Amino acid sequence: NAGVTQTPKFQVLKTGQSMTLQCAQDMNHEYMSWYRQDPGMGLRLIHYSVGAGITDQGEVPNGYNVSRSTTEDFPLRLLSAAPSQTSVYFCASSYSFAQNEAFFGQGTRLTVV
Amino acid sequence: AQRVTQPEKLLSVFKGAPVELKCNYSYSGSPELFWYVQYSRQRLQLLLRHISRESIKGFTADLNKGETSFHLKKPFAQEEDSAMYYCALQGGSEKLVFGKGTKLTVNP
Repeated sequence: NAGVTQTPKFQVLKTGQSMTLQCAQDMNHEYMSWYRQDPGMGLRLIHYSVGAGITDQGEVPNGYNVSRSTTEDFPLRLLSAAPSQTSVYFCASSYSFAQNEAFFGQGTRLTVV
Repeated sequence: AQRVTQPEKLLSVFKGAPVELKCNYSYSGSPELFWYVQYSRQRLQLLLRHISRESIKGFTADLNKGETSFHLKKPFAQEEDSAMYYCALQGGSEKLVFGKGTKLTVNP
């Protein structure tokens, strides 16, 4: 049982480059979300999805795009990376959004130079 | 708006001492509250949720609606409890919002 899988684990980008962080879950969860973790800031919600075809913005959505074409996958796109996007990114999923445990991926450490 | 406040960034205790990690929240409705833990080099995982009213690894947390608090407590801290702890709230907006976290260090 793989759970929530994120790729890559580490990435270095140059300012202005684009990339996609991948997130996949095999638990048939409806709810998926992306967070960034920064020292002293905790976990901040970037985007989330309550099901295939439905996405919404979290606290810090600027500079990021998401799509949810399947239940399993929820990629996060950085269109033009900036040094302020240097962070650790976590993907999470849960059966539904209410009262259910969120399962997290192992994280992607992104550095933008 | 949903908001979670963890006033202590760092908390250090000695092994065997009681520990309390504070969490206060702001939400106008009935909240769903959680504590998540992140051990060194491991992924974030659920520790406990208020609705289940259970004790996990000796930790308990009681929802106090009057004080809008959900503090995490353990009577006797162990070295393996050293980790980053996050309080989280899920309200009717479907968003799971986290506090800034408290890093707990249990010294031998």
